[in-house]
This record gives sequence, structure tokens and C-alpha cells, in this order.
Amino acid sequence: DPKIIQKPKYLVAVTGSEKILICEQYLGHNAMYWYRQSAKKPLEFMFSYSYQKLMDNQTASSRFQPQSSKKNHLDLQITALKPDDSATYFCASSQEPGLSNERLFFGHGTKLSVL
Amino acid sequence: GEQVEQLPSILRVQEGSSASINCTYENSASNYFPWYKQEPGENPKLIIDIRSNMERKQTQGLIVLLDKKAKRFSLHITDTQPGDSAMYFCAASTSGGNYKPTFGKGTSLVVHP
Repeated sequence: DPKIIQKPKYLVAVTGSEKILICEQYLGHNAMYWYRQSAKKPLEFMFSYSYQKLMDNQTASSRFQPQSSKKNHLDLQITALKPDDSATYFCASSQEPGLSNERLFFGHGTKLSVL
Repeated sequence: GEQVEQLPSILRVQEGSSASINCTYENSASNYFPWYKQEPGENPKLIIDIRSNMERKQTQGLIVLLDKKAKRFSLHITDTQPGDSAMYFCAASTSGGNYKPTFGKGTSLVVHP
């Protein structure tokens, strides 16, 4: 019974299109994150959110926009998709932001393929 | 930001032997060092972690060592089994508002029967 739900599990998109990756966590956590995993850069940090506020953004491109409609939601909108965006996108959460000794719980990921 | 180097990238061992993975970090303020195991097609899962107030931690066949002076930490898997075959990632993080664990590039461990 997954506590962090990511939808969809697989996603195929054409270059130039826009997609939204969904993430919901039911762990009661207050911090959420997006990581990207590809062959080139395993587990690369993208964003962190705390109580629905952006804490850190390590993504150079503005084509990636996180959206948090509720405390336990952190979706990722990607516009003008490129083949280089192909990767598995992992959503994660932790109990409280700013505490260094908090373990991350990862969702099962959305595998995005851009043709 | 933090930078974490992880070696080796691939590690092949015989069943029953031990396996060691080493990581180094740059930020002396880093104080939490988790290790994650990721099996093919699965998400990363925490297997063991160590805080900067400790030098050694052991649980269920896993040993983690931390050398703060050298900014180095390592994972040792004793008596490896085929089920230990997976990707292993180390990470380092620092307390503070911008908590963003930085991961190493991973080690693919293959345990041969």
C-alpha cells in the first residue's frame, strides 16, 4: 500500500508538449521534494517544498514548475518537453523540513520518455 | 552546495564475502549521512544512516563508518547474498532550512552465487 502515490507510472510525450506529473503523500509529512534520475545524473535534486512553500530550486530551466495545491500534494509541470528530459522523476517526502536527520521516503517514480 | 563522490561505480563480489562502498563529501557542515538501496524498477529505500555524533553504526549485516576529519563515510555489507544485488546510493545533508540531501552517483553491487 504505497504511501506516496505518483501518477502516471509511465508517460510518453512528444517534443514540445507539456505534461504534469502528479504526487500525493499520505504520510502526514510537511516537506516534499522532486528528484530526477537518469543514466547521466542519478538522483539529482530538483526542488524542495516546506508547508507548501518553495524552499530550494536547483533546476536551471523554468520549464520545470512545481505546483502545490495542498500540503500533501506536489505536482511537477514540465513545458516545452525535450528528449533530454527523458528520465524517471521521483517525488519524496520527509517529516519536517530543515531537520538534517530526517529520512526521505520516495514514491515509485514516473518514467518519462520524450520522443 | 554539497558534492558527494561515491566509489566504486560497479562492485562485483562472491556470495558470502563482504562488500565496501566509499563516499566523500565536501561540506564540513554536513551532519547526516543516509544510505539508500534501489532495486531494478523500484524506488530508493533507506537501509541505514549515521549522524555526525557517531563514528560507527551497525544493523543487520550492515556497518556504516564515518570519519569527519577526512570527510569520508563508508558502507560495509558483511556476508553478502544475491538479494543484496542492487544500486546503492550514499547521501550527505546539512541541517537548516534548505534541507536537500545530495546523493552520490551510486554503486551497482552484483553478488555472484
